[in-house]
Amino acid sequence: ETGVTQSPTHLIKTRGQQVTLRCSSQSGHNTVSWYQQALGQGPQFIFQYYREEENGRGNFPPRFSGLQFPNYSSELNVNALELDDSALYLCASFRRPGEADTEAFFGQGTRLTVV
Amino acid sequence: SQQGEEDPQALSIQEGENATMNCSYKTSINNLQWYRQNSGRGLVHLILIRSNEREKHSGRLRVTLDTSKKSSSLLITASRAADTASYFCANKGGKLIFGQGTELSVKP
Repeated sequence: ETGVTQSPTHLIKTRGQQVTLRCSSQSGHNTVSWYQQALGQGPQFIFQYYREEENGRGNFPPRFSGLQFPNYSSELNVNALELDDSALYLCASFRRPGEADTEAFFGQGTRLTVV
Repeated sequence: SQQGEEDPQALSIQEGENATMNCSYKTSINNLQWYRQNSGRGLVHLILIRSNEREKHSGRLRVTLDTSKKSSSLLITASRAADTASYFCANKGGKLIFGQGTELSVKP
């Protein structure tokens, strides 16, 4: 078990709705990344936050947004949900961004189903 | 787009056999990491190999890296049923970029 916790574990939403997913990072980690993992695929990088600022973004539309708080916990917000947004959303925390030897500590994920 | 490509996509072996998974990547790397994911759960870091290293061991795991071929391999020796999982390679240049993974099934 890592020190990264995500909530909720499962969620069902209707197309067009908005959703907020939460992540508490490992103690001592100031960087959080979010990933989307569709069934049978590898995790796709959404974005990364370092000290409350976004410092990297993958190929996701603006309706995917995030926040990082002073305690380094983070939220992922998705507006105008689409069926294809159904996936496992993973949060990972790092000690520092870009550090060559930094491993990622992942939470158990939030399974989002859009109907 | 994904940076790494694992091969094979699926691998089924008997307990006690060795399992080898390969990963190819596209751009230059600082390091390459291997992660394991049990069904539908979070990823767990297994091992990291730096770009100036060629081989690394950790318990039953052996990782090699060939930067000239932009490829890496993960060998799990004396496999166990509990090794059944998906295995991903990832590189980190500020963010982790994952491949699609190899699904390993170890039959008792």
